[in-house]
Amino acid sequence: VQLQESGPGLVKPSETLSLICTVSTGSFTNYYWSWIRQPPGKGLEWIGYIHHSGNTKYNPALKSRVTMSVDTSKRQVSLRLRSVTTADTALYFCASGSGGTYDFDYWGQGSLVTVSS
Amino acid sequence: DIQMTQSPSSLSASVGDRVTITCRTSQSVTKYLNWYQQKPQRAPKLLISATSNLQNGVPSRFSGSGAGTVFTLTISSLQPEDFATYFCQQTSTMPLTFGGGTKLEIK
Repeated sequence: VQLQESGPGLVKPSETLSLICTVSTGSFTNYYWSWIRQPPGKGLEWIGYIHHSGNTKYNPALKSRVTMSVDTSKRQVSLRLRSVTTADTALYFCASGSGGTYDFDYWGQGSLVTVSS
Repeated sequence: DIQMTQSPSSLSASVGDRVTITCRTSQSVTKYLNWYQQKPQRAPKLLISATSNLQNGVPSRFSGSGAGTVFTLTISSLQPEDFATYFCQQTSTMPLTFGGGTKLEIK
């Protein structure tokens, strides 16, 4: 399974961050596709997941601002994070676990998003 | 949320050393504790799942143990390629959470 994140590298404060993760090879169904972020020099924060069926689960800390969606025909999952601030500056990864688990053995390379005016 | 505390936050060691990193959780996660290795500008790599299950291709010098709220990752004989940052992750309870990381540096 190969994952690739894409999206704008720069977002203005108060605007919406949008990223897409494309699953280019391997199975797409029966996986929980997670988004995880890492501020520069800091640790990892799980944002949430979307199942290929469209079922979602979000981190309560971000739930009010997050929407994830899936397009099975394009083998893509997307992340939208509203009302961003500089605290949302981070490397954003999509990831998944083989066998439909939360043990992340598949990762994209990450997409750096900077929030700045 | 389950809080994850890793210690130490940084560690200096030499090639050939045995090192142990500890992860403590704020409540029991039974056996559902994973370990990742991350090198600069790279995505994390899953080393160990469910406390002690070594992933395919991961050298046997890596091992994990523990249960409940205290877990350890041990590298039996450090190799040059092992110098990296290590994170623990619990998958017992949503939201999934990670430790703050342990940076392993060359002495």
